[in-house]
Amino acid sequence: DIVMTQSPDSLAVSLGERATINCKSSQSVLYTSINKNYLAWYQQKPGQPPKVLIYWASTRQSGVPDRFSGSGSGTDFTLTISSLQAEDVAVYYCQQYYSTPRTFGQGTKVEIK
Amino acid sequence: EVQLVESGGGLVQPGGSLRLSCAASGFTFSSYWMSWVRQAPGKGLEWVANIKHDGSERYYVDSVKGRFIISRDNAKNSLYLQMNSLRAEDTAVYYCARDSSGDNYAREDFEYWGQGTLVTVSS
Repeated sequence: DIVMTQSPDSLAVSLGERATINCKSSQSVLYTSINKNYLAWYQQKPGQPPKVLIYWASTRQSGVPDRFSGSGSGTDFTLTISSLQAEDVAVYYCQQYYSTPRTFGQGTKVEIK
Repeated sequence: EVQLVESGGGLVQPGGSLRLSCAASGFTFSSYWMSWVRQAPGKGLEWVANIKHDGSERYYVDSVKGRFIISRDNAKNSLYLQMNSLRAEDTAVYYCARDSSGDNYAREDFEYWGQGTLVTVSS
């Protein structure tokens, strides 16, 4: 199974500042024949189901604000919130869909400093 | 509008059984793989199982193999999870999620999720 490890477990960022979440997979999730990373990022607010923000590691889901961006390839990935807003307080998860079982990172809780 | 609505959760004793349902609408259900994902109270997300469009392939996380059965009825646009020999550690909110279309190189993230149904295993 591919193990997904996020860092940090939590972070507190001032409004308007940058938030960066890292995700490392235990093996590459890059499908080299099509040059796509099988990795997604989700946001989950209390009492709600997760919501996909980014797929293919860097493609923003329709309707997601452009302050959210994803980067990375192979085994190392980053979710960046360029200017944190109050509504971004949530837990963020990375997930690989390269192989079954699909696996998620443990989550990163983002709060306002 | 895509909608996924789970039902069937509740309180069950250890060793008991429960059947979850997920009613889908707003898309061609028979064209998509479907998944169940669970979340224990205060914990992270865990993928549980998925099933191919026609039900011909099913996959499970190791912790539920031999105890849970995923199935679907495309005529009813419905997904199911039969949960047997339930344990305390199965206590979680269970979400159904739309999976891949199965087309070559189609996205396989979970674009749509239901609101979830809570399963509590306790005596």
